[in-house]
Amino acid sequence: NAGVTQTPKFRILKIGQSMTLQCTQDMNHNYMYWYRQDPGMGLKLIYYSVGAGITDKGEVPNGYNVSRSTTEDFPLRLELAAPSQTSVYFCASSYGESGNQPQHFGDGTRLSIL
Amino acid sequence: AQKVTQAQTEISVVEKEDVTLDCVYETRDTTYYLFWYKQPPSGELVFLIRRNSFDEQNEISGRYSWNFQKSTSSFNFTITASQVVDSAVYFCALSEADFNKFYFGSGTKLNVKP
Repeated sequence: NAGVTQTPKFRILKIGQSMTLQCTQDMNHNYMYWYRQDPGMGLKLIYYSVGAGITDKGEVPNGYNVSRSTTEDFPLRLELAAPSQTSVYFCASSYGESGNQPQHFGDGTRLSIL
Repeated sequence: AQKVTQAQTEISVVEKEDVTLDCVYETRDTTYYLFWYKQPPSGELVFLIRRNSFDEQNEISGRYSWNFQKSTSSFNFTITASQVVDSAVYFCALSEADFNKFYFGSGTKLNVKP
């Protein structure tokens, strides 16, 4: 039972570098989400997708981009890493035709920008 | 404005004590969903419960119970006879009418001491 898989688990970037956080799910879920969790805080929605080819902004999209070419994959890209993007990033997916179902989360990617 | 407020930042109890975690939400929608998630020290997010806005019946699951009151826009979570394994950060979340987005509270850290 893989569920939602995120890679890498940890990463250190230099300011201005770019990288892609990978997220894949094997549950055939339509809905996928990217969140960031800053220390001692709740989760903030960055981007979400309701199906392949469809993405939309959440609360804090600036500095990030996403794509959804397949149902399974929902990568998150940082183009010009900034210290403010140091955070733990969670990918999630949910079942069904709407987003009112419980979300299944990956284990997170801890990202530090130095 | 915060859509989900968890005013208790951190709570410490001694094992076997009962503890209630508060959650207050804000929405203009008549149809919405409320959730509780647990984040243990290992970092993953675990779904605990979902409740829709039309079902105010309280729910009990083992030592866990939830009290949903629309009149006060609250969805409180009680752990009876707490155990050390209950130590975690607990998040309350709201999904509104478009069901595409989740709004998380800032979390309540529960410390259960032996």
